[in-house]
Amino acid sequence: SQQGEEDPQALSIQEGENATMNCSYKTSINNLQWYRQNSGRGLVHLILIRSNEREKHSGRLRVTLDTSKKSSSLLITASRAADTASYFCATDAGTALIFGKGTTLSVSS
Amino acid sequence: EAGVAQSPRYKIIEKRQSVAFWCNPISGHATLYWYQQILGQGPKLLIQFQNNGVVDDSQLPKDRFSAERLKGVDSTLKIQPAKLEDSAVYLCASSPDRGGYGYTFGSGTRLTVV
Repeated sequence: SQQGEEDPQALSIQEGENATMNCSYKTSINNLQWYRQNSGRGLVHLILIRSNEREKHSGRLRVTLDTSKKSSSLLITASRAADTASYFCATDAGTALIFGKGTTLSVSS
Repeated sequence: EAGVAQSPRYKIIEKRQSVAFWCNPISGHATLYWYQQILGQGPKLLIQFQNNGVVDDSQLPKDRFSAERLKGVDSTLKIQPAKLEDSAVYLCASSPDRGGYGYTFGSGTRLTVV
């Protein structure tokens, strides 16, 4: 079953701009994670935010979590062409991670 | 540290044939996962192992799919017989333990069933 739903499905921006992706989910969670997937490759773990946290930073990444709205956002600041990839949110509700369908980000130079 | 190793990288088979995928997780990781990712979708869990025991195989089509993790290290996933709809990328991942950790994924095996 699909737990997380990312929005938008696709996003195209210019280098240097910020990219924001959103994720909504349905049930209570222990933590929420974001992953990146370059075309034809495996997924790379970006960041984990626990249910008692509201915001977390890692380099150019900023993640927020609103458990009352069951939603999360991933902000990538000062995007680069190398950020072009698909981004997935995944929820940990005490079982294995459940992934959404992803947002495809395209950064053009 | 070495990453999660998967082989083969690509496989093309005819429907009704059998195929096997291999995964070697990060050393010391107790939990191993197999996910199926159909083009344009997110990964879907097939099976989760804790050491050499099965934690969750509720979404594994057991009439055709099987998996094992002998000695709690390497794992193999088998499909027999394959169907056209099994065409997907099969991803193996591992984590130090259940819950609260990020997963490390392998590069996946791209299966095409013709």
